Amino acid sequence: QKEVEQDPGPLSVPEGAIVSLNCTYSNSAFQYFMWYRQYSRKGPELLMYTYSSGNKEDGRFTAQVDKSSKYISLFIRDSQPSDSATYLCAMSEYSGGGADGLTFGKGTHLIIQP
Amino acid sequence: DSGVTQTPKHLITATGQRVTLRCSPRSGDLSVYWYQQSLDQGLQFLIQYYNGEERAKGNILERFSAQQFPDLHSELNLSSLELGDSALYFCASSVAPSGSEAFFGQGTRLTVV
Repeated sequence: QKEVEQDPGPLSVPEGAIVSLNCTYSNSAFQYFMWYRQYSRKGPELLMYTYSSGNKEDGRFTAQVDKSSKYISLFIRDSQPSDSATYLCAMSEYSGGGADGLTFGKGTHLIIQP
Repeated sequence: DSGVTQTPKHLITATGQRVTLRCSPRSGDLSVYWYQQSLDQGLQFLIQYYNGEERAKGNILERFSAQQFPDLHSELNLSSLELGDSALYFCASSVAPSGSEAFFGQGTRLTVV
């Protein structure tokens, strides 16, 4: 079983719709949760960062973390064609003063139809 | 613009060769991370440096090595290149060593022929 599972899509929705993107994970030690947006052949762009469980809102984006279910979500309201991209979830452990890299899902390809 | 600069943007080289990828982190960031992105494996963490010292290792091959210099820029050295090393290589930086809120550069696309 992979550490982080993410549906690769593609997910195609009409402009203005609410988009829901999700990841599940198996490592209960993950405490930092992030969503990145990646346009084709570009570097991942940090969208949302959340520590532990709860919700966080930033403009049209809302991130939710449910550590009891090992499930995280990203909601995009009033979706725009410019939101068309690959969305990657990423997670990190806190290793007691040590350091570690991010573990990424493989990304969901999102298409917003005008 | 994330503030992380990677050079070169593209690199084409032959099997068996050695290349060096360069990364300048955001101003003030002490942590530098290297990632490899391929179509089948997704983004894979390779190695992290924090303020000049190696802090964590991920799925980095023995043929690959990295270092971080006193001015905090970092280089990733890839040697004895194989066709399967063709991928996008990203550098990311962050203030904290925990790996959170990392900002990525635009990547170096390596093609091994």
